[in-house]
Amino acid sequence: NAGVMQNPRHLVRRRGQEARLRCSPMKGHSHVYWYRQLPEEGLKFMVYLQKENIIDESGMPKERFSAEFPKEGPSILRIQQVVRGDSAAYFCASATGTVYNSPLHFGNGTRLTVT
Amino acid sequence: AQTVTQSQPEMSVQEAETVTLSCTYDTSESDYYLFWYKQPPSRQMILVIRQEAYKQQNATENRFSVNFQKAAKSFSLKISDSQLGDAAMYFCAYRSASNFGNEKLTFGTGTRLTIIP
Repeated sequence: NAGVMQNPRHLVRRRGQEARLRCSPMKGHSHVYWYRQLPEEGLKFMVYLQKENIIDESGMPKERFSAEFPKEGPSILRIQQVVRGDSAAYFCASATGTVYNSPLHFGNGTRLTVT
Repeated sequence: AQTVTQSQPEMSVQEAETVTLSCTYDTSESDYYLFWYKQPPSRQMILVIRQEAYKQQNATENRFSVNFQKAAKSFSLKISDSQLGDAAMYFCAYRSASNFGNEKLTFGTGTRLTIIP
Protein backbone atom coordinates (compact mmCIF):
# COMPACT_ATOMS: atom_id res chain seq x y z
CA ASN A 1 0.00 0.00 0.00
CA ALA A 2 1.83 3.07 -1.25
CA GLY A 3 1.99 6.05 1.03
CA VAL A 4 1.07 9.62 0.24
CA MET A 5 2.78 10.57 -3.01
CA GLN A 6 3.80 14.12 -3.74
CA ASN A 7 5.40 15.41 -6.88
CA PRO A 8 7.56 16.99 -7.86
CA ARG A 9 9.99 16.63 -4.99
CA HIS A 10 11.68 19.88 -5.95
CA LEU A 11 10.26 22.70 -8.02
CA VAL A 12 12.01 25.85 -9.15
CA ARG A 13 10.01 28.75 -10.49
CA ARG A 14 10.89 32.32 -11.44
CA ARG A 15 8.94 35.16 -9.92
CA GLY A 16 5.60 35.59 -11.67
CA GLN A 17 5.31 31.98 -12.85
CA GLU A 18 2.76 29.45 -11.69
CA ALA A 19 3.52 26.49 -9.43
CA ARG A 20 1.39 23.34 -9.40
CA LEU A 21 1.97 20.82 -6.66
CA ARG A 22 0.38 17.38 -6.78
CA CYS A 23 -0.65 15.00 -4.06
CA SER A 24 -2.01 11.48 -4.37
CA PRO A 25 -3.43 10.33 -1.02
CA MET A 26 -3.07 6.86 0.36
CA LYS A 27 -5.44 4.31 -1.11
CA GLY A 28 -8.79 4.52 0.60
CA HIS A 29 -8.18 8.01 1.99
CA SER A 30 -10.72 10.64 1.00
CA HIS A 31 -9.45 13.54 3.15
CA VAL A 32 -6.48 15.65 2.11
CA TYR A 33 -4.65 18.39 4.01
CA TRP A 34 -2.04 20.83 2.74
CA TYR A 35 0.59 22.38 5.00
CA ARG A 36 3.39 24.86 4.38
CA GLN A 37 6.73 24.79 6.17
CA LEU A 38 8.93 27.86 6.00
CA PRO A 39 12.65 27.37 6.74
CA GLU A 40 13.30 26.52 10.40
CA GLU A 41 9.59 26.69 11.23
CA GLY A 42 6.81 24.25 11.96
CA LEU A 43 4.11 23.22 9.56
CA LYS A 44 1.28 25.68 9.08
CA PHE A 45 -2.14 24.42 8.04
CA MET A 46 -3.39 25.74 4.73
CA VAL A 47 -6.44 23.82 3.55
CA TYR A 48 -8.49 20.68 4.14
CA LEU A 49 -10.34 19.06 1.26
CA GLN A 50 -12.57 16.10 0.62
CA LYS A 51 -13.38 14.83 -2.84
CA GLU A 52 -14.69 17.81 -4.85
CA ASN A 53 -15.14 19.93 -1.72
CA ILE A 54 -13.07 22.45 0.21
CA ILE A 55 -13.94 21.93 3.86
CA ASP A 56 -11.60 24.33 5.66
CA GLU A 57 -9.42 26.91 3.90
CA SER A 58 -8.79 29.09 6.92
CA GLY A 59 -5.00 28.88 6.43
CA MET A 60 -4.93 29.71 2.74
CA PRO A 61 -3.69 33.11 1.65
CA LYS A 62 -6.60 34.99 0.12
CA GLU A 63 -4.87 35.69 -3.17
CA ARG A 64 -2.88 33.62 -5.66
CA PHE A 65 -3.38 30.30 -3.82
CA SER A 66 -6.00 27.70 -4.68
CA ALA A 67 -6.51 24.00 -4.06
CA GLU A 68 -8.67 21.29 -5.50
CA PHE A 69 -9.31 17.61 -4.99
CA PRO A 70 -11.27 16.36 -8.00
CA LYS A 71 -13.36 13.24 -8.16
CA GLU A 72 -10.63 11.58 -10.21
CA GLY A 73 -6.93 12.28 -9.91
CA PRO A 74 -4.64 13.89 -7.38
CA SER A 75 -5.16 16.93 -5.22
CA ILE A 76 -3.54 20.05 -6.67
CA LEU A 77 -2.19 23.07 -4.83
CA ARG A 78 -1.79 25.93 -7.26
CA ILE A 79 0.17 29.10 -6.65
CA GLN A 80 -0.16 31.81 -9.26
CA GLN A 81 2.38 34.58 -9.86
CA VAL A 82 4.83 33.19 -7.31
CA VAL A 83 6.95 35.51 -5.19
CA ARG A 84 10.14 34.83 -3.23
CA GLY A 85 8.15 34.55 0.00
CA ASP A 86 6.38 31.48 -1.40
CA SER A 87 9.64 29.52 -1.19
CA ALA A 88 8.93 26.75 1.30
CA ALA A 89 8.29 23.05 1.66
CA TYR A 90 4.68 22.13 0.98
CA PHE A 91 3.36 18.97 2.59
CA CYS A 92 0.29 16.99 1.83
CA ALA A 93 -1.31 14.60 4.31
CA SER A 94 -4.25 12.26 4.00
CA ALA A 95 -6.63 10.46 6.34
CA THR A 96 -9.47 8.02 5.97
CA GLY A 97 -12.08 10.35 7.40
CA THR A 98 -14.14 7.39 8.44
CA VAL A 99 -12.31 6.35 11.58
CA TYR A 100 -12.39 8.60 14.60
CA ASN A 101 -9.00 10.10 15.27
CA SER A 102 -7.50 8.40 12.25
CA PRO A 103 -3.89 9.53 12.03
CA LEU A 104 -2.61 11.80 9.31
CA HIS A 105 -0.18 10.23 6.87
CA PHE A 106 2.24 12.73 5.37
CA GLY A 107 3.96 12.80 2.02
CA ASN A 108 7.63 13.77 1.69
CA GLY A 109 6.80 17.26 0.62
CA THR A 110 7.57 19.46 -2.37
CA ARG A 111 10.28 22.05 -1.91
CA LEU A 112 9.42 25.13 -3.91
CA THR A 113 12.18 27.59 -4.68
CA VAL A 114 11.32 30.91 -6.26
CA THR A 115 14.19 32.68 -7.94
CA ALA B 1 -7.46 29.54 18.61
CA GLN B 2 -5.13 26.89 19.84
CA THR B 3 -1.39 27.50 20.04
CA VAL B 4 1.51 25.12 20.58
CA THR B 5 4.83 26.30 22.01
CA GLN B 6 8.16 24.52 21.93
CA SER B 7 10.60 26.67 23.88
CA GLN B 8 13.74 24.66 23.05
CA PRO B 9 14.91 25.36 19.48
CA GLU B 10 17.82 22.93 19.90
CA MET B 11 18.75 20.10 22.22
CA SER B 12 21.60 17.64 22.29
CA VAL B 13 22.13 14.40 24.15
CA GLN B 14 24.85 11.82 24.45
CA GLU B 15 24.13 8.53 22.74
CA ALA B 16 22.41 6.05 25.09
CA GLU B 17 21.33 8.83 27.46
CA THR B 18 17.83 10.17 28.09
CA VAL B 19 16.50 13.49 26.82
CA THR B 20 13.23 15.32 27.38
CA LEU B 21 11.70 17.73 24.87
CA SER B 22 9.20 20.28 26.15
CA CYS B 23 5.87 21.32 24.73
CA THR B 24 3.11 23.52 26.09
CA TYR B 25 -0.17 24.38 24.48
CA ASP B 26 -3.06 26.71 24.98
CA THR B 27 -6.67 25.71 24.46
CA SER B 28 -10.10 26.28 25.92
CA GLU B 29 -11.28 22.81 24.87
CA SER B 30 -11.49 19.86 27.23
CA ASP B 31 -11.22 17.10 24.64
CA TYR B 32 -8.33 17.00 22.22
CA TYR B 33 -5.35 14.97 21.02
CA LEU B 34 -1.64 15.64 21.23
CA PHE B 35 1.11 14.28 19.01
CA TRP B 36 4.83 14.20 18.60
CA TYR B 37 6.18 14.01 15.06
CA LYS B 38 9.75 13.41 13.98
CA GLN B 39 11.18 14.99 10.83
CA PRO B 40 14.59 13.65 9.78
CA PRO B 41 16.65 15.35 7.04
CA SER B 42 14.64 13.40 4.46
CA ARG B 43 11.74 15.76 5.36
CA GLN B 44 9.34 12.88 5.96
CA MET B 45 6.95 13.51 8.85
CA ILE B 46 6.85 10.44 11.08
CA LEU B 47 4.34 10.02 13.89
CA VAL B 48 6.23 9.13 17.07
CA ILE B 49 3.51 9.02 19.70
CA ARG B 50 0.03 10.36 20.45
CA GLN B 51 -2.04 11.03 23.52
CA GLU B 52 -5.78 11.40 24.03
CA ALA B 53 -6.55 14.17 26.52
CA TYR B 54 -9.26 12.15 28.25
CA LYS B 55 -6.75 9.44 29.14
CA GLN B 56 -4.80 10.02 32.34
CA GLN B 57 -2.26 7.34 31.54
CA ASN B 58 0.79 8.61 29.70
CA ALA B 59 1.35 7.09 26.26
CA THR B 60 4.43 4.95 25.65
CA GLU B 61 5.96 3.59 22.43
CA ASN B 62 9.11 1.59 23.06
CA ARG B 63 11.83 4.12 23.98
CA PHE B 64 9.47 7.07 23.62
CA SER B 65 7.13 8.19 26.37
CA VAL B 66 5.26 11.33 27.24
CA ASN B 67 4.55 13.25 30.41
CA PHE B 68 1.08 14.66 29.91
CA GLN B 69 0.01 17.26 32.48
CA LYS B 70 -3.46 18.37 31.46
CA ALA B 71 -3.92 21.04 34.11
CA ALA B 72 -0.57 22.60 33.26
CA LYS B 73 -1.20 22.11 29.51
CA SER B 74 2.16 20.46 29.18
CA PHE B 75 3.10 17.55 26.93
CA SER B 76 6.79 16.61 27.05
CA LEU B 77 8.49 13.80 25.14
CA LYS B 78 11.10 11.59 26.78
CA ILE B 79 13.48 9.61 24.64
CA SER B 80 15.34 6.89 26.51
CA ASP B 81 18.53 5.20 25.37
CA SER B 82 19.03 7.77 22.60
CA GLN B 83 20.27 6.45 19.29
CA LEU B 84 21.96 8.16 16.36
CA GLY B 85 18.84 7.56 14.30
CA ASP B 86 16.84 9.73 16.70
CA ALA B 87 18.56 12.85 15.37
CA ALA B 88 15.84 14.95 13.77
CA MET B 89 13.47 17.87 14.21
CA TYR B 90 10.70 17.03 16.64
CA PHE B 91 7.34 18.73 16.40
CA CYS B 92 4.59 18.79 18.98
CA ALA B 93 1.07 19.03 17.53
CA TYR B 94 -2.48 19.55 18.75
CA ARG B 95 -5.79 18.41 17.29
CA SER B 96 -9.24 19.35 18.44
CA ALA B 97 -11.68 16.51 19.07
CA SER B 98 -14.69 18.70 18.38
CA ASN B 99 -15.02 18.14 14.64
CA PHE B 100 -15.42 14.56 13.60
CA GLY B 101 -13.45 13.82 10.45
CA ASN B 102 -11.37 17.00 10.58
CA GLU B 103 -7.87 15.91 11.43
CA LYS B 104 -6.32 19.39 11.16
CA LEU B 105 -3.17 19.69 13.28
CA THR B 106 -1.62 22.77 14.87
CA PHE B 107 2.17 22.42 15.12
CA GLY B 108 4.81 23.96 17.33
CA THR B 109 7.97 25.44 15.85
CA GLY B 110 10.04 22.34 16.54
CA THR B 111 13.11 21.26 18.48
CA ARG B 112 16.22 20.13 16.65
CA LEU B 113 17.69 17.12 18.46
CA THR B 114 21.34 16.25 17.99
CA ILE B 115 22.76 12.94 19.19
CA ILE B 116 26.40 13.04 20.28
CA PRO B 117 28.22 9.75 19.61
